[in-house]
Amino acid sequence: AQKITQTQPGMFVQEKEAVTLDCTYDTSDQSYGLFWYKQPSSGEMIFLIYQGSYDEQNATEGRYSLNFQKARKSANLVISASQLGDSAMYFCAMRGGTSGTYKYIFGTGTRLKVLA
Amino acid sequence: DVKVTQSSRYLVKRTGEKVFLECVQDMDHENMFWYRQDPGLGLRLIYFSYDVKMKEKGDIPEGYSVSREKKERFSLILESASTNQTSMYLCASSLTGAPYEQYFGPGTRLTVT
Repeated sequence: AQKITQTQPGMFVQEKEAVTLDCTYDTSDQSYGLFWYKQPSSGEMIFLIYQGSYDEQNATEGRYSLNFQKARKSANLVISASQLGDSAMYFCAMRGGTSGTYKYIFGTGTRLKVLA
Repeated sequence: DVKVTQSSRYLVKRTGEKVFLECVQDMDHENMFWYRQDPGLGLRLIYFSYDVKMKEKGDIPEGYSVSREKKERFSLILESASTNQTSMYLCASSLTGAPYEQYFGPGTRLTVT
């Protein structure tokens, strides 16, 4: 069965510092995708970054990078130079399954608070 | 910009009522999804659809049904609402091919009393 595990319910980080949010996954699929989403207090889910299982390079999008360690089945999100606006809930997710029936599994989330 | 809209932001229903939650996307996405979000549990997949009139059960389909008569519209139905279905409901859509990310609606906060 597919599973996403986020072990950090909440984290604090000082403004301008980097922070790593942990995510481990479990799947028997050879082809899968890993995502991170941000959910501010307003409630909308915002896509941040994507990593394909066959991508050899770690994905980066601006201040976000995904530390993909396939053998360890981990896909940690690194936010560099944290800003107050980064305070939000962060979800790790995985897309897997066979063609035509892809489904997405989400973790339980990590609430990040950036301190001034 | 992809837009996913949901029929209501807030909804209050009584136990036993039939409840319809509507979701519409405007980017011709093949896949559509319904999740519920509860504190400490993250997002849990209720149903998804990868084509018109096609549906697949997610992880928690009990007490729910869905309908997809048109590509852009995916409805979630609570046949007989119960208090344990009080939750935030999120609709999402995605392409089958790249890019793979899901686009989410603003959510419907449903309270069943």
